[in-house]
Amino acid sequence: IQLTQSPSFLSASVGDRVTITCRASQGISTYLAWYQQQAGKAPRLLIYAATSLQNGVPSRFSGSGSATEFTLTISSLQPEDSATYYCQQLKSFPLTFGGGTKVDIK
Amino acid sequence: QITLKESGPTLVKPTQTLTLTCTFSGFSLSTTGAAVGWIRQPPRQALEWLALIYWDDDKRYSPSLKNRLTITKDTSKNQVVLTLTNVDPVDTATYFCAHSGVSGHDYWGQGTLVTVSS
Repeated sequence: IQLTQSPSFLSASVGDRVTITCRASQGISTYLAWYQQQAGKAPRLLIYAATSLQNGVPSRFSGSGSATEFTLTISSLQPEDSATYYCQQLKSFPLTFGGGTKVDIK
Repeated sequence: QITLKESGPTLVKPTQTLTLTCTFSGFSLSTTGAAVGWIRQPPRQALEWLALIYWDDDKRYSPSLKNRLTITKDTSKNQVVLTLTNVDPVDTATYFCAHSGVSGHDYWGQGTLVTVSS
């Protein structure tokens, strides 16, 4: 199952609402996770089962979607949100990641 | 508190076998449902899922690397070992291990950079 993320790069200001899209090549129900990877660090699980917020993740992060189209939304962008974001499908093996979306703070 | 840490060589020559160890604490791989996965990331590239091992010794591999990858566990030592045979410079990457479940990889090691070069 291939995952296509868009955009691959975005630049936004602090306080902006940011949306990242992940499209699956076939239906995956809600077997989708979102990760944040800050520069030089390991990825961090943000969202699982497409919409569930992982413990400890700020509520400005939210996920939506099902089947083949999913979104990750940051409701009010903060400086510490500068990172690359990845989606991953967990519907079937091999597990696959999207190509990533780099978020830059203007 | 779940922690994981990868260890292994930082430099490997082409055609050699790479062996990486993930040492973890805070959970047991003998507990029903537990799993540990390996993911890698070439420099400035995206994440690539490699392999997963379950508490019952079920193993899953990336098809593109399946013939070269082996994942094993030592429950008594709280370790998971990944071996990659016949390495090539394209295998240069940071290798991560992670506590894994149906919801995703919720705890990650810090990663270990492996360079393949003669």
